[in-house]
Amino acid sequence: AAGVIQSPRHLIKEKRETATLKCYPIPRHDTVYWYQQGPGQDPQFLISFYEKMQSDKGSIPDRFSAQQFSDYHSELNMSSLELGDSALYFCASSLEGTGGFDEQYFGPGTRLTVT
Amino acid sequence: TQLLEQSPQFLSIQEGENLTVYCNSSSVFSSLQWYRQEPGEGPVLLVTVVTGGEVKKLKRLTFQFGDARKDSSLHITAAQPGDTGLYLCAGDEGSNYQLIWGAGTKLIIKP
Repeated sequence: AAGVIQSPRHLIKEKRETATLKCYPIPRHDTVYWYQQGPGQDPQFLISFYEKMQSDKGSIPDRFSAQQFSDYHSELNMSSLELGDSALYFCASSLEGTGGFDEQYFGPGTRLTVT
Repeated sequence: TQLLEQSPQFLSIQEGENLTVYCNSSSVFSSLQWYRQEPGEGPVLLVTVVTGGEVKKLKRLTFQFGDARKDSSLHITAAQPGDTGLYLCAGDEGSNYQLIWGAGTKLIIKP
């Protein structure tokens, strides 16, 4: 079965540079979520989109922005990168309202290293 | 802020033993999901429990949702080295799109 696709899998950037992470949800899924996971931590929710509109916002820095496009893929744009932004970034997708709850399926993640 | 307390945080046992991981909250969840995560990879959804008192089985793994939908447990029977990994519980409040995550249980099964 098709899974969530994320690209790139690994990314190395320098401080103050920008980065764009891409997420392709499972076909027919209409909701996308972005998470940041530091070493030894549980995933921290950043932001989500439902039907191309922002649906919820978590601990996303102002330097980050995201959007969901007409084909439901999503991009997380990160500017003025800081050393502390080094982490695994996960995208998850779900089909809204399935049985009254949303099962989130995670992608393999993008490992961002800021030097 | 709603919290989901997961315990134990770390567990190392011998192959063939049984174990139970717990997730507890003071608040009610509309559903609760269990994930398994390998280092450097994304969490993989194992199961979603929705109904109070619900029990779901996945081979040697048994998942239970508390009657009041505030707590859940994962029981592994006759653990195998292949069960080694990080197990995470995550609760859905139902009012927004965020999941409330437990801190995770790092499980090591020694051959």
